[in-house]
Amino acid sequence: SQKIEQNSEALNIQEGKTATLTCNYTNYSPAYLQWYRQDPGRGPVFLLLIRENEKEKRKERLKVTFDTTLKQSLFHITASQPADSATYLCAPGYFGNEKLTFGTGTRLTIIP
Amino acid sequence: NAGVTQTPKFQVLKTGQSMTLQCAQDMNHEYMSWYRQDPGMGLRLIHYSVGAGITDQGEVPNGYNVSRSTTEDFPLRLLSAAPSQTSVYFCASSYTGLNTDTQYFGPGTRLTVL
Repeated sequence: SQKIEQNSEALNIQEGKTATLTCNYTNYSPAYLQWYRQDPGRGPVFLLLIRENEKEKRKERLKVTFDTTLKQSLFHITASQPADSATYLCAPGYFGNEKLTFGTGTRLTIIP
Repeated sequence: NAGVTQTPKFQVLKTGQSMTLQCAQDMNHEYMSWYRQDPGMGLRLIHYSVGAGITDQGEVPNGYNVSRSTTEDFPLRLLSAAPSQTSVYFCASSYTGLNTDTQYFGPGTRLTVL
């Protein structure tokens, strides 16, 4: 069955460092992958979408990579700030299939 | 724009009761969906709609009904509530579809079934 794994439940990073979150998938060949941020008590907020033909995508301090050989996406936050503390979710998907499957998320804490 | 709105924010039901969770969006989005989020399980798709009059099942549809009579509204009905349906429910929408477009989530409804 299809499986999505996000590297750990919780990740603590010192302010100013780069935070790297991992999303691994098995029994899957997604055509794209989405990343979301979720704060406690709130709905997820869309951050980035990367397609299988895009190796890397950037948005301000965020960078996402998509390695279809390794079946992995990496999500980087550079120059991390305490305001970046949240849970980050990955969601692979297929074209023509309007169903997203989400990982359980990684809770990131940026320590001042 | 108000974005995606959900009502109520909190609800407590007794086993066997029925209720409707409301979801509305004012962005003229074609695609709408319902998810539930449980600790350690992540977000799971319940039902989705690609346009008015069209709905389909997601990963965990049992015990839930949906209809899409207008572009704006996508209510989720619990037919006979069970404790296993205790969860946080999120509605989401996007303009066209998931693979090209941002998906916007509502603030959620926290449901407890006793």
